[in-house]
Amino acid sequence: QKEVEQDPGPLSVPEGAIVSLNCTYSNSAFQYFMWYRQYSRKGPELLMYTYSSGNKEDGRFTAQVDKSSKYISLFIRDSQPSDSATYLCAMRRETGGFKTIFGAGTRLFVKA
Amino acid sequence: DTEVTQTPKHLVMGMTNKKSLKCEQHMGHRAMYWYKQKAKKPPELMFVYSYEKLSINESVPSRFSPECPNSSLLNLHLHALQPEDSALYLCASSHPVRGRDQPQHFGDGTRLSIL
Repeated sequence: QKEVEQDPGPLSVPEGAIVSLNCTYSNSAFQYFMWYRQYSRKGPELLMYTYSSGNKEDGRFTAQVDKSSKYISLFIRDSQPSDSATYLCAMRRETGGFKTIFGAGTRLFVKA
Repeated sequence: DTEVTQTPKHLVMGMTNKKSLKCEQHMGHRAMYWYKQKAKKPPELMFVYSYEKLSINESVPSRFSPECPNSSLLNLHLHALQPEDSALYLCASSHPVRGRDQPQHFGDGTRLSIL
């Protein structure tokens, strides 16, 4: 079993839809949770960074962490064609150095 | 534009060539990373430098040789690579805080093709 599970998609939605992206994990030691967006032929861009459980909002993006269920989500409101990209969840333990564990990435297509 | 700059953006080399990838950041970060990313896969960690010292080597073959000349620069020296080494090579940096690290910021990578 992988430490982090993420559906690779692709996920196709119409413009303006609310998008829900999710990851599950098995290691209860994870405390730091990130979402990265990666456009084709570009490096991953940090979107959201949260510590432990709870919600965090930034513009059209909301990140949720449910540590009791070992489940994290990224919601995108009013999705735009420019949101079409691969979204990678990532997580790290409280201690234990610099290793970040990535999900497989979900490919998202927003149709105009 | 990202704050982590990688050069060159593209590199094509033969299996007997020697080349180097370069990464530069001016954010004052003291941890720097090399990742390898194959198509439709997540990044795979190769090396981590913390305060200019090699902290992690993920059992990477010796044909890849990292170097951290100063706190802003990270190099990856390549020699006698194999076709399966063709990939996007990503550099990242972060600010280490006592006991834990801040999230990594990535460059746009060098797309490497081995002939």
